[in-house]
Amino acid sequence: KAGVTQTPRYLIKTRGQQVTLSCSPISGHRSVSWYQQTPGQGLQFLFEYFSETQRNKGNFPGRFSGRQFSNSRSEMNVSTLELGDSALYLCASSLRGESYEQYFGPGTRLTVT
Amino acid sequence: ILNVEQSPQSLHVQEGDSTNFTCSFPSSNFYALHWYRWETAKSPEALFVMTLNGDEKKKGRISATLNTKEGYSYLYIKGSQPEDSATYLCASYSGGGADGLTFGKGTHLIIQP
Repeated sequence: KAGVTQTPRYLIKTRGQQVTLSCSPISGHRSVSWYQQTPGQGLQFLFEYFSETQRNKGNFPGRFSGRQFSNSRSEMNVSTLELGDSALYLCASSLRGESYEQYFGPGTRLTVT
Repeated sequence: ILNVEQSPQSLHVQEGDSTNFTCSFPSSNFYALHWYRWETAKSPEALFVMTLNGDEKKKGRISATLNTKEGYSYLYIKGSQPEDSATYLCASYSGGGADGLTFGKGTHLIIQP
């Protein structure tokens, strides 16, 4: 079974730009969650999608948004990038949500200059 | 918002020794406790998901216990090997909450040959 894939793996953007990250879950997994990892911080929960609906949302500004498609693939968008958005963005898929094992992708390393 | 604390932050252990570390989490509205191993340059890998008070799970030389009444979980590694070197993350989930998984900052374990 193929694992969780994320594209792109690395990205450099300028302040004020927007960015879209993509995540393809393990086949059969309907839940996709997104996390941000910055130096000194643990993994911070962004949001979770299940069957194309956002089910949970973390404490992040509205510049962070996402969506999930009918094939369970998910995208995350960050608008008006700030320097502080530089981070590793991980997505994780699971069968049904947070009470199930999360399978993480390799992450997208975003650098904002 | 849940606060998940892990201790110690880092740990050096001699190869062959056993070790353990702690995860504490708010016990109210508890639903599930996750443990992950995160090796450098890899994705976090699920070790255990536990939901019941008194739960004990084991995978090879690694085991975990859960006390939901007092809000803590222990992870044990027996006979540490160099390949056990990694950051060990725990994460708590309160079912029905809007925050998704809340991760601790991890215990960074280094096994010295």
